[in-house]
Amino acid sequence: QQQVKQSPQSLIVQKGGISIINCAYENTAFDYFPWYQQFPGKGPALLIAIRPDVSEKKEGRFTISFNKSAKQFSLHIMDSQPGDSATYFCAASKEGGGNKLTFGTGTQLKVEL
Amino acid sequence: KAGVTQTPRYLIKTRGQQVTLSCSPISGHRSVSWYQQTPGQGLQFLFEYFSETQRNKGNFPGRFSGRQFSNSRSEMNVSTLELGDSALYLCASSSPAGGGHTDTQYFGPGTRLTVL
Repeated sequence: QQQVKQSPQSLIVQKGGISIINCAYENTAFDYFPWYQQFPGKGPALLIAIRPDVSEKKEGRFTISFNKSAKQFSLHIMDSQPGDSATYFCAASKEGGGNKLTFGTGTQLKVEL
Repeated sequence: KAGVTQTPRYLIKTRGQQVTLSCSPISGHRSVSWYQQTPGQGLQFLFEYFSETQRNKGNFPGRFSGRQFSNSRSEMNVSTLELGDSALYLCASSSPAGGGHTDTQYFGPGTRLTVL
């Protein structure tokens, strides 16, 4: 059972454009939602994370939007750059449940010049 | 601080063999989690160790096991390897955030296991 659904599977964006990746979750017990960025040959690295007490969190060019009633959250990358080309994973976990992350299937982002 | 280190980085085994992978967490981190990453199944949680005790376990068969030592270093073992065990095995360490909050996990580069 896939508890976190991520779309699109791949995305091509022009330099300077906005990249948007969406995730939906099923388990209402989830209350921590991080986004990870992974480059080839590397492990995932935390980009930004949100808890459901806020609807939006921004860090630099990266913004998470969170809709608790719809059980959806999304990552927006503003002014996308070629260096942002990577695979992005959304994830979710339950507070007090240790550090078990349930990941989405990933989005391969390519930013073209 | 040095990041999470995993050894070996690459490993080739044959079906039926067993393998042990090692993970050294960031200094001061007491939690170590293991994940399997494959093109078909994505990133899947294997287990988490905290202070030498398994705190969480994913839905993997008993052939997958792990342990954590007093210095927080962790090992995972896969016995009776199958072709489907070919994957990137990632280790992540974290330091308690407190207040029951989920900790930020820092991933290592992974061990690429190929089963022939």
